[in-house]
Amino acid sequence: DAGVIQSPRHEVTEMGQEVTLRCKPISGHDYLFWYRQTMMRGLELLIYFNNNVPIDDSGMPEDRFSAKMPNASFSTLKIQPSEPRDSAVYFCASSPTGGNTEAFFGQGTRLTVV
Amino acid sequence: RKEVEQDPGPFNVPEGATVAFNCTYSNSASQSFFWYRQDCRKEPKLLMSVYSSGNEDGRFTAQLNRASQYISLLIRDSKLSDSATYLCVVPQGGGSYIPTFGRGTSLIVHP
Repeated sequence: DAGVIQSPRHEVTEMGQEVTLRCKPISGHDYLFWYRQTMMRGLELLIYFNNNVPIDDSGMPEDRFSAKMPNASFSTLKIQPSEPRDSAVYFCASSPTGGNTEAFFGQGTRLTVV
Repeated sequence: RKEVEQDPGPFNVPEGATVAFNCTYSNSASQSFFWYRQDCRKEPKLLMSVYSSGNEDGRFTAQLNRASQYISLLIRDSKLSDSATYLCVVPQGGGSYIPTFGRGTSLIVHP
């Protein structure tokens, strides 16, 4: 397996624009997590899915953020409209059975909003 | 109290030194614990799992103290290549399904 695949690796956008981040989890993993990492706050969980169903989105900072998982092999995180304070590294991770097993991370998307 | 707390460091040590990091957690129901390593501008990767009182893997030893709710990571004979950020992870949530990360401890090993 190629591991968790995220795209794009880098994104630079202007304030107010829509940004879509993509993730392909490892096949067979039932859990998918979206994290945001900043120097100030470390790794924060935004939302997680179990079997494609969103379970906990309490970490999503505002209504500007939304996430979907239309099938077991694809998830998106969308920010609309984007703001400079959204600049961060966004990681997608998947795991077979949730928090009690290893989480495998993608390489992340480095987002810069100018 | 934060769910998972770590000393951010940085810990600056010479090659060959022994260094230890601590991590405290708030969820007394957690049963499994993890240490991840994150290199600069890379993704976190699993270093060690801790399911009982402790685990040892070569130069790395992780220990768990349930009574005091902390886990530790000991690195012996530090190498330059050990320079990284070490993240403590404790599952949280109703079913312990959420890997919750500490802020990480930065280690710098110098010649």
